[in-house]
Amino acid sequence: DAGVIQSPRHEVTEMGQEVTLRCKPISGHNSLFWYRQTMMRGLELLIYFNNNVPIDDSGMPEDRFSAKMPNASFSTLKIQPSEPRDSAVYFCASSWGEVGYTFGSGTRLTVV
Amino acid sequence: SQQGEEDPQALSIQEGENATMNCSYKTSINNLQWYRQNSGRGLVHLILIRSNEREKHSGRLRVTLDTSKKSSSLLITASRAADTASYFCATAQRERQLTFGSGTQLTVLP
Repeated sequence: DAGVIQSPRHEVTEMGQEVTLRCKPISGHNSLFWYRQTMMRGLELLIYFNNNVPIDDSGMPEDRFSAKMPNASFSTLKIQPSEPRDSAVYFCASSWGEVGYTFGSGTRLTVV
Repeated sequence: SQQGEEDPQALSIQEGENATMNCSYKTSINNLQWYRQNSGRGLVHLILIRSNEREKHSGRLRVTLDTSKKSSSLLITASRAADTASYFCATAQRERQLTFGSGTQLTVLP
């Protein structure tokens, strides 16, 4: 298995633009998580899905953030409009049962 | 807010020495997990210990859990330069999602 695949690896965009981050979880994993990592706030859970259904989105910072999981093999995190304070590394992770998460390599987002 | 807090924030040791990192948390948990993150990479799962377990081993890793003190420790024995990374503890409550601590930056000097 290729692991959790995220794209793009790096994204530089101008303030106000729409940004879409993509994630392909490991086949057979039924839970998917989006985290954001910054120096100031560490790793923050944004949203998590179980069997493609959003279970907890309380970590989504604002209405500018939205996430979808149209099927078991794909999820997106969208920021519209983006702001400089959204600059961070965004990680997607997947899991099955009571086992550890498998993380993707992350998307480093820079909003200028 | 973060559930787990690691101590120390940074640790520097010589190759061959043992490294011990501690984690404290606030609420009851189902399990506690440790992850490693190399610079610029994603997190890698190291070990999971359930709330009814007190100690677990995996290769050079030893994890202890004291639920009465709400604390855990990660011991890496005979450290290697390749162990240089950030180490995070993460706790799982009733729900599936993990809450991560702030991490310990370990540097192993050759």
